[in-house]
Formats: sequence, structure tokens, C-alpha cells
Amino acid sequence: AQSVTQLDSQVPVFEEAPVELRCNYSSSVSVYLFWYVQYPNQGLQLLLKYLSGSTLVKGINGFEAEFNKSQTSFHLRKPSVHISDTAEYFCAVKFSGGYNKLIFGAGTRLAVHP
Amino acid sequence: DTAVSQTPKYLVTQMGNDKSIKCEQNLGHDTMYWYKQDSKKFLKIMFSYNNKELIINETVPNRFSPKSPDKAHLNLHINSLELGDSAVYFCASSAPGGRETQYFGPGTRLLVL
Repeated sequence: AQSVTQLDSQVPVFEEAPVELRCNYSSSVSVYLFWYVQYPNQGLQLLLKYLSGSTLVKGINGFEAEFNKSQTSFHLRKPSVHISDTAEYFCAVKFSGGYNKLIFGAGTRLAVHP
Repeated sequence: DTAVSQTPKYLVTQMGNDKSIKCEQNLGHDTMYWYKQDSKKFLKIMFSYNNKELIINETVPNRFSPKSPDKAHLNLHINSLELGDSAVYFCASSAPGGRETQYFGPGTRLLVL
């Protein structure tokens, strides 16, 4: 079955510390991978996406993610977080032949503390 | 300019009522979507239209009926509202093709009392 798992429901971190938000997927077909951020009471904003090519993808706000096909993972990283990065982060996957349907993980709440 | 807009932003109503949520995009996209985000923040697709044609219809109660009058608009009508319909409903749009980014609206927060 095709699925997306975000391993951590909450990640607390201090300001200026590095952070990694984990995402794994299960699929027997090729995939496109996305990370979205949702600030409180707002819609979803695309952080970055992997379609093909280089497995290291850079996005907005200093975030990057690495696609690892053998581990079926697409973890999101930032070397130094700010208070303003506090938000809900969603990993999402489109499976080949899936009619553009985005399958979302359950989300990870990133809480940045001063 | 708002790329994907939804109205209303908040909707509070009684059980049994019928309500509609409207979505408009000015990105020139052919494909539009409705997603539901439940109280635990879980997001799930409900419907997708491409050029006014329904292409994704997930397991959604038939009380929910999408309508696309043109490719820039996708409305969601909900009949006989139930408590479990309380959620945030997001509209999104994209160009056709799996590589394309979906752009989300701000959401409509529906509370059924």
C-alpha cells in the first residue's frame, strides 16, 4: 500500500539549533515528494519539492531536504532555526499514476523556543 | 493578489443545515482540488476537477457535492451537515501533470453545532 509516515508528531528545539523533520514513504512506483508548511490559521505553503535529478533539494526560508531512494525517505533539515519557523510541517507524496493526488503525512509540529 | 481564495473563511452552522464553500483561483490553472483537514491536522483529498471534469472522487459521503462552473472556480456544497463535518476545508489548484505544485487557499473553518 502507498503511504507517508512522519515519524515525529512534535519536535521541540531551541532557537539557532539545527533541526531535522523525518518523512518516510512506502511505494512500489515512482514518486514526487513535497514539503509544505502551515503557519497557525493559515493555508499550506510549499517549502520545496523533489521531482528528479539531484537528491538534495533547497527550498525557501533556508530549508533543504534529501531524497534517499533506498531508504524511501525525504527528511527536511534546517541548520539554524528561528522562532518564526514555529509551524506545522507536512510531507506529501504524489505516486506515479495517482491522478495528481497528494498523499499527506500526519504532520510534525515544530516548536522553536528562545 | 490572492492566488487561491476561499469564502467564507469561517462558517458556524447547525446540524442538518446545507452550506456552500466557494473557491476561486487566478493562476490560470486547469486543475482544482478540495482537501479536508480534521481536528488532528490530518489532510486528505476529497475531490479534484480538471477543466471542469471530475477526475478524483475519494470515499466521501454523497452529502458533499463539488461543482465547477468554470476552470477558475470550484465550489463545495454540503447537505445535511453533521457534527463530524467540522473541519478545515482547503481548496488548491495546479497546472496539469504530476510534477506541478499545488497552491492552497487559506482554508474555510467549518464548525457544526
